[in-house]
Amino acid sequence: EAGVVQSPRYKIIEKKQPVAFWCNPISGHNTLYWYLQNLGQGPELLIRYENEEAVDDSQLPKDRFSAERLKGVDSTLKIQPAELGDSAVYLCASSSTRPDEQFFGPGTRLTVL
Amino acid sequence: QKEVEQDPGPLSVPEGAIVSLNCTYSNSAFQYFMWYRQYSRKGPELLMYTYSSGNKEDGRFTAQVDKSSKYISLFIRDSQPSDSATYLCAMCPNFNKFYFGSGTKLNVKP
Repeated sequence: EAGVVQSPRYKIIEKKQPVAFWCNPISGHNTLYWYLQNLGQGPELLIRYENEEAVDDSQLPKDRFSAERLKGVDSTLKIQPAELGDSAVYLCASSSTRPDEQFFGPGTRLTVL
Repeated sequence: QKEVEQDPGPLSVPEGAIVSLNCTYSNSAFQYFMWYRQYSRKGPELLMYTYSSGNKEDGRFTAQVDKSSKYISLFIRDSQPSDSATYLCAMCPNFNKFYFGSGTKLNVKP
């Protein structure tokens, strides 16, 4: 069974440019998470979806970040415009109803110059 | 104060040693406790999951939870070079929001 798929794996952009990340969760997983992981830190939740509904976006900086999960499957996370401080790894995870079934993708490493 | 505190290391041990990794937390509502392993440039992968207090063993790995002290541990027996990675603890009060430690970097020397 395929795991969580993310693309691109790496992205380098200049500040003020837009960027988008894509995630395809494990088939059948209704819950999808986007996390931010800074170097030497643990993942921090940006947004959580239950099917197509964003049920927790309290930590998402809504002035520049947006996300969508159309049809309750794939999801896209967008930053516009990007700032230097956005350089980090963006992780997508999906889960079923059990906390021991949260699986992470490999992440997208963003560098903002 | 962070919800979850974890010593960042790095921790360097010889092959075959017993490794002890620990986290402390402040939120008494946490009920589910997890340990993840993260290799360089990879996403975290779940190693162990424990509900409430007690011990859980899986091969060379043992997870312990002491809710009275708000302290969790992961023990690795007979450590191998392939165990070299960053270990993240995580916990949550329910299935909705996970709180992660900052990770401990482990290096097992051959």
